[in-house]
Amino acid sequence: GQQLNQSPQSMFIQEGEDVSMNCTSSSIFNTWLWYKQDPGEGPVLLIALYKAGELTSNGRLTAQFGITRKDSFLNISASIPSDVGIYFCAGLSFTSGTYKYIFGTGTRLKVLA
Amino acid sequence: DTAVSQTPKYLVTQMGNDKSIKCEQNLGHDTMYWYKQDSKKFLKIMFSYNNKELIINETVPNRFSPKSPDKAHLNLHINSLELGDSAVYFCASSQGPVTGELFFGEGSRLTVL
Repeated sequence: GQQLNQSPQSMFIQEGEDVSMNCTSSSIFNTWLWYKQDPGEGPVLLIALYKAGELTSNGRLTAQFGITRKDSFLNISASIPSDVGIYFCAGLSFTSGTYKYIFGTGTRLKVLA
Repeated sequence: DTAVSQTPKYLVTQMGNDKSIKCEQNLGHDTMYWYKQDSKKFLKIMFSYNNKELIINETVPNRFSPKSPDKAHLNLHINSLELGDSAVYFCASSQGPVTGELFFGEGSRLTVL
């Protein structure tokens, strides 16, 4: 089946540093979503991207929809301790006559104060 | 007022038992989903309903039976529970099956002993 590869798998960073993570696939997607999941909670939507090349910001977060439609990246600037969590990308694919969101494998972020 | 709410949040039960998880959304969305998150945090779609009609049914054992009494509710019933069913089950909703972002509930952690 379709897979979304996220990298890095996990990262430790110092508070105040910028963070980059990305999501790649061999398939084309029509929409990219980025989520954050805190322990014991459901994933919360951070940013939605709808057009190839689109660059969207939400506070300290910036995400881009790759031109090839096969990748997306998320940047977090000036990280703070509460940025800790698992970040997921999700791509909307059309397979077997159905649209569905495929999720990436997640990037686990740990911020050192 | 929680947008997507699911109950119970925790469920501990013995192998072979039958259990249900309920989900309700007050966003006025037409489409609802069940996702399973395993111990490695992979999120995988199980089912999707659009206006009470099943539109996605991934390769899920038929011990799992979703039911949507109306478009605001999607329940999941699991028969003859097995150890491998232990996971966190997330309900989600979106405006429609083709467009719209996914909004998740807080999850129901199922532990089968």
